[in-house]
Formats: sequence, C-alpha cells, structure tokens
Amino acid sequence: NAGVTQTPKFQVLKTGQSMTLQCAQDMNHEYMSWYRQDPGMGLRLIHYSVGAGITDQGEVPNGYNVSRSTTEDFPLRLLSAAPSQTSVYFCASSPRTGRYEQYFGPGTRLTVT
Amino acid sequence: DQQVKQNSPSLSVQEGRISILNCDYTNSMFDYFLWYKKYPAEGPTFLISISSIKDKNEDGRFTVFLNKSAKHLSLHIVPSQPGDSAVYFCAAGIYNNNDMRFGAGTRLTVKP
Repeated sequence: NAGVTQTPKFQVLKTGQSMTLQCAQDMNHEYMSWYRQDPGMGLRLIHYSVGAGITDQGEVPNGYNVSRSTTEDFPLRLLSAAPSQTSVYFCASSPRTGRYEQYFGPGTRLTVT
Repeated sequence: DQQVKQNSPSLSVQEGRISILNCDYTNSMFDYFLWYKKYPAEGPTFLISISSIKDKNEDGRFTVFLNKSAKHLSLHIVPSQPGDSAVYFCAAGIYNNNDMRFGAGTRLTVKP
C-alpha cells in the first residue's frame, strides 16, 4: 500500500496562475480532506469529501475548488493563485466519516509570488 | 477563532524523563480528541485518541488525559526517547461532524 500520495512536492506559482494539487489513496477510504498548514495556525480544513460525488466546504474554502469523481482521487484546484495561498497543503483520508483518525500524505509546499 | 490551543510552541526534555504536552479547547461540543506526531517533510501521523466519555487512554509509552470541566487535555510520554522529537498536534472534533480543529503544534526535543 502506498497510502496517501500527493504531487507535486514543491510548486512555485505566479499570482493569478492556476494549478491542481493531486491527491490519491489506495486504502479504499470513503473520507478525504485537504488541509493547509501555516506557521502558528495549525492545520485548517479547506474542503472534504465523504464519498465519490460528494464534497463540502471546511473552515477556509475560499479560493479553492475540489471534486471527487472516484474513491481514490481528490484533487484540489487553485483557480487564480494569490500570495495568501502560500502554504503547505496536506491531503488526508479516513475509513470513516468525521471523528476518526486520518492518514495524511507527505504534503505539497506551495509558494505564490 | 482558534478553538484548539497549544500554548507552548516548544518543549525540551531529557531522554528517559516524562514529556507532558498540553492542549486547551474552547468548544464544549467537542467530544473526540486526537494527537498527531509530525516529522519534518512528512505528513502528520496519528498517535492516540480519546473520546469524551473517558478521562484517560493509554497506548504503550503514550497516555492522553482529558479534563472536560477544564476543557484541557494532555499527552504524557514516558519514558521519552530521542526518536520522539517531533511536532505534536492536538485535534478536536464533534461526532458525525467533519470539521476537525487542530492546534498550532508543540515542537518536542528529547535530548540524549
């Protein structure tokens, strides 16, 4: 099992550019989520999905889009990058919705100039 | 607003001694709490959890204590080992609600 994989590991964007952060899991988990980690802020939930075709907003969804067409994949799209989106992004999955422990990917470090 | 707070950004202990990491929360609706450990350049990994119906949960060298009246939980590591050096995040959530909140993390350094 590869667990949760994320690509790319590092990315530099110019303001206004768009990109997609990829996330995949091979554990057949129903629940997947995206977090961002900023200094002094912990991890904040951006979007989550409780199954294929179902997504919802988390604590900080503005500027990000997601879709879940398969159980395995949960990409995060930045439509028009802003410097405030400079952060480390983690994707996570869980076999059960909500309260249970999550398995995290290694993260994507994004810099927007 | 930060509903989960870890007020100590860092903690340093000697190998073999006890490490105590603290976490406070403000939302009395939280009924499930977790601790994650994070090494540099890796994602967080789950360590231990506790539900609000308990006040203690043990797993080997790791014990989590929950004081609901004080809205406080702590993670005890005994004995501490150099390999425990990492950033520790506490997280809190509500049953059947997907919005889990994380603290800012405490960097633990265990000195040989």
